[in-house]
Amino acid sequence: KQEVTQIPAALSVPEGENLVLNCSFTDSAIYNLQWFRQDPGKGLTSLLLIQSSQREQTSGRLNASLDKSSGRSTLYIAASQPGDSATYLCAGHMEYGNKLVFGAGTILRVKS
Amino acid sequence: EAQVTQNPRYLITVTGKKLTVTCSQNMNHEYMSWYRQDPGLGLRQIYYSMNVEVTDKGDVPEGYKVSRKEKRNFPLILESPSPNQTSLYFCASGLDRAYNEQFFGPGTRLTVL
Repeated sequence: KQEVTQIPAALSVPEGENLVLNCSFTDSAIYNLQWFRQDPGKGLTSLLLIQSSQREQTSGRLNASLDKSSGRSTLYIAASQPGDSATYLCAGHMEYGNKLVFGAGTILRVKS
Repeated sequence: EAQVTQNPRYLITVTGKKLTVTCSQNMNHEYMSWYRQDPGLGLRQIYYSMNVEVTDKGDVPEGYKVSRKEKRNFPLILESPSPNQTSLYFCASGLDRAYNEQFFGPGTRLTVL
């Protein structure tokens, strides 16, 4: 059974810092990996999709990497801003089961 | 604007009163699915659909039904809701498989008294 773990569970940083969120998975039968952002009481916003043939993906200040052999993905946020405060979720797209397997999320707070 | 919509956004109901949460997408996606999000348990898949008239159970299907009569719509039906179905529900869609980029709706917060 696939398990996805996100570390840290919560993170509080001053504005301007670069930060890294970690996601690890137990089953290498992961096809793609997607990072989401969830604001309180809101839906999930897709940030980045890393396909199995890629090792990383970039969008603006965000950069995500995927290493299937080690079972890890990282989300790098450069020059963090208060507007980045949210819960960040990673989800593995499984080769079986037609579903996403989600981590519990990292709650990020960027202080101004 | 490409989007997934859900209605209602908030619902308070009583045990046993049948309800339907609608989900619609305007991206011509074949794949749609439902998830519930609960504190400490994260997001779990309820049902998914690969195309019209093709549906299958996810990890937590008990107490739920779905139908896919049209490509754009994928309603979630609770025929006899119970308090343990109090949760935040999300509909999602993707091109044709779960491993394509998934787009989520805004969520429906359901409370069953």
